Amino acid sequence: EVQLLESGGGLVQPGGSLRLSCVASGFMFSSYAMNWVRQAPGKGLEWVSGISGSGGRTYYADSVQGRFTTSRDNSKNTLYLQMDSLRAEDTAVYYCAKRLMDDYGFDYWGQGTLVTVSS
Amino acid sequence: SYELTQPLSVSVALGQTARITCGGNNIGSKNVHWYQQKPGQAPVLVIYRDSNRPSGIPERFSASNSGNTATLTISRAQAADEADYYCQVGDISTVVFGTGTKVTVL
Repeated sequence: EVQLLESGGGLVQPGGSLRLSCVASGFMFSSYAMNWVRQAPGKGLEWVSGISGSGGRTYYADSVQGRFTTSRDNSKNTLYLQMDSLRAEDTAVYYCAKRLMDDYGFDYWGQGTLVTVSS
Repeated sequence: SYELTQPLSVSVALGQTARITCGGNNIGSKNVHWYQQKPGQAPVLVIYRDSNRPSGIPERFSASNSGNTATLTISRAQAADEADYYCQVGDISTVVFGTGTKVTVL
C-alpha cells in the first residue's frame, strides 16, 4: 500500500524558514518523480515544485523560485521542501504527491501539513 | 502562463448527471487529469490521461477532452460525490491546476 506522510509544518514568522519532510512507502521511491502542491485556506490547489526520481532535476513555480528548495534522499525514501524567506502568502496546507510513471498527474497524495506564516 | 478555467459551482439532483468543464487553450492536445477533494481531505485522482479511471474509482466517473474543453461527467450522482473537483495538466517543468468546481448534490 502506497503511503506518503508529511511532517514539519507549523507556525513561523515572516522571513523565517521551515523544512518539510515526506516519508514514502509501498513503492519504489527512486523510480518516481515527486511533487509538492499547496492549498491556501479556502483556496484551490497550487503546484509548488517537482523533482525527478534521481533528484538531479528540480522545477519550481514562479511564486517560490529562489526561496524554496526541493530535494530527496532515496536511501531514506524521503522528500524534502526547504522553505526560506517565508511570506504570509505561503500560508497553506502542503501536500507531497507521487507522480504517475509516464505522465504528469499525481496518483497518490499525503495527508498534508499546515504551514502558517504570521507574526 | 497557461490557465485552466472551471465553473465555480455545479449543482446536480441525486441520481442525475453532472458535467464539469475545464477550459484551456487547445487543451485537447494535452493530457488532463481530474481530482476529487472532500473537506479536510487530500485530493484523490479520479481520472488520469483524459479518460482513464484508477482502480477503485466508480464507473460513474468518466471524462473526455477535445478542442478547448475537457469535461468530467458524474453519472447517477450520489451524496458521496459532493466535493470540489480540479482538472490539471502538466509537462516536464510545470503543472497547472484548474480553478476548481464545487459540486453540490441536491
